[in-house]
Amino acid sequence: GDSVTQMEGPVTLSEEAFLTINCTYTATGYPSLFWYVQYPGEGLQLLLKATKADDKGSNKGFEATYRKETTSFHLEKGSVQVSDSAVYFCALLKTSYDKVIFGPGTSLSVIP
Amino acid sequence: EAGVTQFPSHSVIEKGQTVTLRCDPISGHDNLYWYRRVMGKEIKFLLHFVKESKQDESGMPNNRFLAERTGGTYSTLKVQPAELEDSGVYFCASSRGQAQPQHFGDGTRLSIL
Repeated sequence: GDSVTQMEGPVTLSEEAFLTINCTYTATGYPSLFWYVQYPGEGLQLLLKATKADDKGSNKGFEATYRKETTSFHLEKGSVQVSDSAVYFCALLKTSYDKVIFGPGTSLSVIP
Repeated sequence: EAGVTQFPSHSVIEKGQTVTLRCDPISGHDNLYWYRRVMGKEIKFLLHFVKESKQDESGMPNNRFLAERTGGTYSTLKVQPAELEDSGVYFCASSRGQAQPQHFGDGTRLSIL
């Protein structure tokens, strides 16, 4: 069945470091891809999305490019801040079943 | 516009008791979804309403779980009787249409003792 895999955490970075969180997916057809973020004590927020191959989603300095050839949607940020500390979920959505399939989540801690 | 709201934010009950979770979707969103994250594992789909009809309930774990959406507005998810393995965070989401981005609430943290 369809699934999402993301790098194991927790990830700890110093402020201003470069961030990459790897995400790969297995799915037939052409899913939409998302990154959701959960800040401490808060709910899930949509961070960015891409709906077709080669699309780049971006928001708050984060970017991810939909790579169909490698079935990947890696999340990147050039310079992380303490406020970026959160759990990040890679996810996919297909029209055929209209439910979001999530990866296991990657916990990020950014230290000053 | 107001986001998806869930109530309560946290519920602690004993095994065998009943708990009802509530979700108010974003106004105008016909699609409403329930998900849960158990014991730090993946967030898993439970079911999907379109207005008041259950479109897909393939993720419901067993018949101790009952979801309703009377009138096509807010939804409730009842667990009766609650078991220890039901502990986790229950998320509700809504969207305008099929395959549209889903907007999530803050979740209800359910603890079964």
